[in-house]
Amino acid sequence: EAGVVQSPRYKIIEKKQPVAFWCNPISGHNTLYWYRQNLGQGPELLIRYENEEAVDDSQLPKDRFSAERLKGVDSTLKIQPAELGDSAVYLCASSPRTGSYGYTFGSGTRLTVV
Amino acid sequence: TQLLEQSPQFLSIQEGENLTVYCNSSSVFSSLQWYRQEPGEGPVLLVTVVTGGEVKKLKRLTFQFGDARKDSSLHITAAQPGDTGLYLCAGARAGTGNQFYFGTGTSLTVIP
Repeated sequence: EAGVVQSPRYKIIEKKQPVAFWCNPISGHNTLYWYRQNLGQGPELLIRYENEEAVDDSQLPKDRFSAERLKGVDSTLKIQPAELGDSAVYLCASSPRTGSYGYTFGSGTRLTVV
Repeated sequence: TQLLEQSPQFLSIQEGENLTVYCNSSSVFSSLQWYRQEPGEGPVLLVTVVTGGEVKKLKRLTFQFGDARKDSSLHITAAQPGDTGLYLCAGARAGTGNQFYFGTGTSLTVIP
């Protein structure tokens, strides 16, 4: 079974430029999460989807971040414009459904804003 | 702001030594998980504990959930270089649909 697939693995951009990350969750997993992780720290939730609905986006900086999961399968997270402080690893995770234990994480996208 | 504080933040030990990592909060959790993350990879689930006072063992790793479900510990016996990584606890509060919030992390290095 394929795991959670994220792309790209690495991205270097100049500040004020846009950037997008893509995530394909495990087949059949209804719940999808985007997290941001700074070096050596725990992941912080940005947004949670149940199918195509964003059920928790309270931690998403909506002035510059946006996300979508149009068909309830894969998802895209976008930053526009990027700032230096956005440099981090962006992790996608999925789980079978709300209330199930254990997320499966992708390998993440390491973003560097210069 | 992260609900769960882990200690120590960094730990460097010799192969064969024992260690304990702590995960503390003022909040009550319906369940708590521990993950290990290696450089360049996403966190991988090690264990889930759901009952106050519960103890689970996974080979040389022992996990305990506090009686009040506010804290947890991870004990590693006879650490090996392969145990090196970032250890993360994550707790779910009741009524959040098992939305897990991650701790601050403990970076462990086991020196051969």
